[in-house]
Amino acid sequence: DTGVSQDPRHKITKRGQNVTFRCDPISEHNRLYWYRQTLGQGPEFLTYFQNEAQLEKSRLLSDRFSAERPKGSFSTLEIQRTEQGDSAMYLCASSLWLGQQETQYFGPGTRLLVL
Amino acid sequence: AQKVTQAQTEISVVEKEDVTLDCVYETRDTTYYLFWYKQPPSGELVFLIRRNSFDEQNEISGRYSWNFQKSTSSFNFTITASQVVDSAVYFCALSEDGATNKLIFGTGTLLAVQP
Repeated sequence: DTGVSQDPRHKITKRGQNVTFRCDPISEHNRLYWYRQTLGQGPEFLTYFQNEAQLEKSRLLSDRFSAERPKGSFSTLEIQRTEQGDSAMYLCASSLWLGQQETQYFGPGTRLLVL
Repeated sequence: AQKVTQAQTEISVVEKEDVTLDCVYETRDTTYYLFWYKQPPSGELVFLIRRNSFDEQNEISGRYSWNFQKSTSSFNFTITASQVVDSAVYFCALSEDGATNKLIFGTGTLLAVQP
């Protein structure tokens, strides 16, 4: 059973550019979460999907951020017009939710540096 | 409001010492879940344990043990006979029962185990 994978692992971009990250969850996991982690802090929730439906977005997720999960499998997180404040580790997690408690398993993250 | 506090920013021990990582949480819910994750230098968050609010039994897994006390809203983590491989950042997290089981993380404790 393969774990959660994320691509790319590292991304350096210039301010104003668009970037897109991909997350492949554990197969058959119906929930997929995105978190952002800045240096010295714990991860912060951004958004999550149940199957293909995006059910909640944090107020941290500005209009420049968009996430999709077509067909309920992999997910993409796009940041448009990147700013230096977007520099962070972007973590994806997946879980099997059967109506109550669940455990989220995390991928290795994508580390973004905006110059 | 939900909150997780890890007051210990950094802990340094010598190999074979026992070490306890503290976690204090705040929630108004009666049903909630507590987690510990390990984040080694590679960056991937590794799940260690999940505990629900109705189960106050302490748990032991090898050199790891967890002490959950609802009376003090604490969920502390002890590593017995620490090893260099235990060096990592450890995060305590909380999720409340509901549609979204997003995780609320503490700021983490950096554990350095010296040989």
